Amino acid sequence: AQSVTQLDSHVSVSEGTPVLLRCNYSSSYSPSLFWYVQHPNKGLQLLLKYTSAATLVKGINGFEAEFKKSETSFHLTKPSAHMSDAAEYFCVVSERYGGTYKYIFGTGTRLKVLA
Amino acid sequence: DAGITQSPRHKVTETGTPVTLRCHQTENHRYMYWYRQDPGHGLRLIHYSYGVKDTDKGEVSDGYSVSRSKTEDFLLTLESATSSQTSVYFCATRGLSGTDTQYFGPGTRLTVL
Repeated sequence: AQSVTQLDSHVSVSEGTPVLLRCNYSSSYSPSLFWYVQHPNKGLQLLLKYTSAATLVKGINGFEAEFKKSETSFHLTKPSAHMSDAAEYFCVVSERYGGTYKYIFGTGTRLKVLA
Repeated sequence: DAGITQSPRHKVTETGTPVTLRCHQTENHRYMYWYRQDPGHGLRLIHYSYGVKDTDKGEVSDGYSVSRSKTEDFLLTLESATSSQTSVYFCATRGLSGTDTQYFGPGTRLTVL
């Protein structure tokens, strides 16, 4: 069975400094991996997605993530944090299950951006 | 944005009452999902649907039932609400065949007193 571990439940950074949110996964197959962002009292918005085309994936709002099979990691980064990045971030792995897909969510990382 | 709406957006109810949450989508997506979100747990799958009248259980399905009589609507019912079902509920759909990206609705905050 697949699983996802987000290594930090809370991360604090200063505005203008780099962001690193860590995600490790386990999978028996070639996975699809996602990062979603959730702002307070909002739904989940797709940041980026890995589907084996390229190991470095660029997403919206300057975020990117690198798929490292040897380390089973899919860490999310951004060179310079902005106040508007404060939110909760979820790493997700998809698993084919019969004729459909199921999705395994990490427990989330809450990012705080300090002025 | 896959044109997903959820109703109601907020609901307060009492233990033992039935509750139905509605998810409506305008993109003709075949697959639909209901999740609950609780602090420290991320999102957990309650039920999903892979077509009209075709549904299956997720990891936390006890106390919930679903129905899908039309492609665009997926209903989640709590037959007899309990305080442990206080949560935020999200509906999601999956896009066209060949892509596994999910799109999420805005959520319903349910409080069971």
